[in-house]
Amino acid sequence: DAGVTQSPTHLIKTRGQQVTLRCSPKSGHDTVSWYQQALGQGPQFIFQYYEEEERQRGNFPDRFSGHQFPNYSSELNVNALLLGDSALYLCASSLGGFNEQFFGPGTRLTVL
Amino acid sequence: AQSVAQPEDQVNVAEGNPLTVKCTYSVSGNPYLFWYVQYPNRGLQFLLKYITGDNLVKGSYGFEAEFNKSQTSFHLKKPSALVSDSALYFCAVRGNDYKLSFGAGTTVTVRA
Repeated sequence: DAGVTQSPTHLIKTRGQQVTLRCSPKSGHDTVSWYQQALGQGPQFIFQYYEEEERQRGNFPDRFSGHQFPNYSSELNVNALLLGDSALYLCASSLGGFNEQFFGPGTRLTVL
Repeated sequence: AQSVAQPEDQVNVAEGNPLTVKCTYSVSGNPYLFWYVQYPNRGLQFLLKYITGDNLVKGSYGFEAEFNKSQTSFHLKKPSALVSDSALYFCAVRGNDYKLSFGAGTTVTVRA
């Protein structure tokens, strides 16, 4: 049974560029949440997707957007990249929004 | 607003000794509490959760946690630590919405 998978593993971009990160949830899960984990910090909630809609959003600007597809996979898009966007981006899936979340290995984004 | 505090950045114990990682939380309504562990260059792994019921929760790899409502705490414990338990541990809380808030993490080092 495959767990949560994310791609790519690493990514290097320059300021002002746009990036798309991808996530496939654990089999049987219908909810995907995205987190940003800066170095030395805990993960920060970006948003959660359920039934192809953003269900709740954390304290992140509109430059951060997402999408969920009918097969429950999800994308995180970040526009107009800033140096401060450099972080590990984690995707987590769950069955419904209230159950424990299972995390992928993350995408390490470096903005130069 | 909900928040989690992990008062110790680092915990050092000898193998075979008890391990405790502290966590206190603040949330509106009933708390839903979680512990996760993160190994280097890996995503977060779910250890255990408290939703309701018995204040002592048992989880994976011999870990357990005690919920204390009056002290708003959810400390993680293991009776006999192993060198392989060395990792970064995160406590997380959710209230009556979908947002999961994490603490800053506690680095556990178990020496042989």
